[in-house]
Amino acid sequence: NAGVTQTPKFRVLKTGQSMTLLCAQDMNHEYMYWYRQDPGMGLRLIHYSVGEGTTAKGEVPDGYNVSRLKKQNFLLGLESAAPSQTSVYFCASSNGQGALGETQYFGPGTRLLVL
Amino acid sequence: EDQVTQSPEALRLQEGESSSLNCSYTVSGLRGLFWYRQDPGKGPEFLFTLYSAGEEKEKERLKATLTKKESFLHITAPKPEDSATYLCAVPFHTGFQKLVFGTGTRLLVSP
Repeated sequence: NAGVTQTPKFRVLKTGQSMTLLCAQDMNHEYMYWYRQDPGMGLRLIHYSVGEGTTAKGEVPDGYNVSRLKKQNFLLGLESAAPSQTSVYFCASSNGQGALGETQYFGPGTRLLVL
Repeated sequence: EDQVTQSPEALRLQEGESSSLNCSYTVSGLRGLFWYRQDPGKGPEFLFTLYSAGEEKEKERLKATLTKKESFLHITAPKPEDSATYLCAVPFHTGFQKLVFGTGTRLLVSP
């Protein structure tokens, strides 16, 4: 069981470039999430998905898009990268059994630097 | 306003010197409180979930407790390998169950 995996581990972009971050989970979880982590800010939710084919906005969605075409994968896209998107991005998943307070399991993160 | 506050921001201990980390929150109708450990360059690793005031959970040298307004993570006789950032998170229901994280406590245990 690999759990939650993320690719790439590290990426450098120039302002205006685009890229896609991939998250995969092998736990058959329904819910998946994308967070960003910045110094002094804590983890903040960007977008989330409650099942295959569904996506929704989180706390800080501007400048990002997501897709969940397969249950096990959740993609985060940056259409036109900005220096403010320099951050560490974490994907997480949970089983989505309907109970509040369910545990989220995190991937190892992707470090993104936008110049 | 949904808020999770952790203190202290950083804590330096000698090996064997016990201490506690604090997580306070403002939410009505607590639906759980989560503790995670995060090592540098890694993702958060789940430690505990607490659901009701008075609940306690233990794992090795760590014990988490919960009251109606805060949670404590007690570290007994810590070792250098306990050095990490400890995060707490609380679910807030705003149309969707959103996990709100504190900014963490950076723990350094010196031999």
